[in-house]
Amino acid sequence: LAKTTQPISMDSYEGQEVNITCSHNNIATNDYITWYQQFPSQGPRFIIQGYKTKVTNEVASLFIPADRKSSTLSLPRVSLSDTAVYYCLVGDRGAAGNKLTFGGGTRVLVKP
Amino acid sequence: KAGVTQTPRYLIKTRGQQVTLSCSPISGHRSVSWYQQTPGQGLQFLFEYFSETQRNKGNFPGRFSGRQFSNSRSEMNVSTLELGDSALYLCASSLGTGGRTEAFFGQGTRLTVV
Repeated sequence: LAKTTQPISMDSYEGQEVNITCSHNNIATNDYITWYQQFPSQGPRFIIQGYKTKVTNEVASLFIPADRKSSTLSLPRVSLSDTAVYYCLVGDRGAAGNKLTFGGGTRVLVKP
Repeated sequence: KAGVTQTPRYLIKTRGQQVTLSCSPISGHRSVSWYQQTPGQGLQFLFEYFSETQRNKGNFPGRFSGRQFSNSRSEMNVSTLELGDSALYLCASSLGTGGRTEAFFGQGTRLTVV
């Protein structure tokens, strides 16, 4: 599974857009990119998944450039409740089953 | 629909004892995987079961074991508990193991070993 690198922490303010970039230089052809959100003492929660270009859902957007060596999670107009740890995962779930390899995550603090 | 249910939510055990944790996946999900989360090591994969068969195993000692029943419910067991086993144990379920299969996590069992 590809190793991921993401910033340790980020601060933002309510109403701003937060962009978290994840590097995955050795991403394989069959790998998908998935982001999870985790609050203290809770399990991670799926946010978004993509393979290439752009994916958007009701809570976030995921931007993946053509070379797929990085990806950016975009959280529009964050609120205090978006304060959490965000994990970027890269892997071919089909080949490795559900052996999700979590990196260190990015701790996002949203300030009033 | 009901989410992933883990029981118990909190547990305190003594060193040397054994413990069994339970996970009920979302109805229809056949894959269940287990993770250990600690402040120092982060989230680490323990093992995954699919249709009662262990598909993957992480780098944990043999004291950590698991099983899955025909109704997809899963249990994990830790024998001869050590202080370092204190952690949040998370279970995740998914429909299958395909590349786009989303994993749903339970709230976890907080195990404290004293």
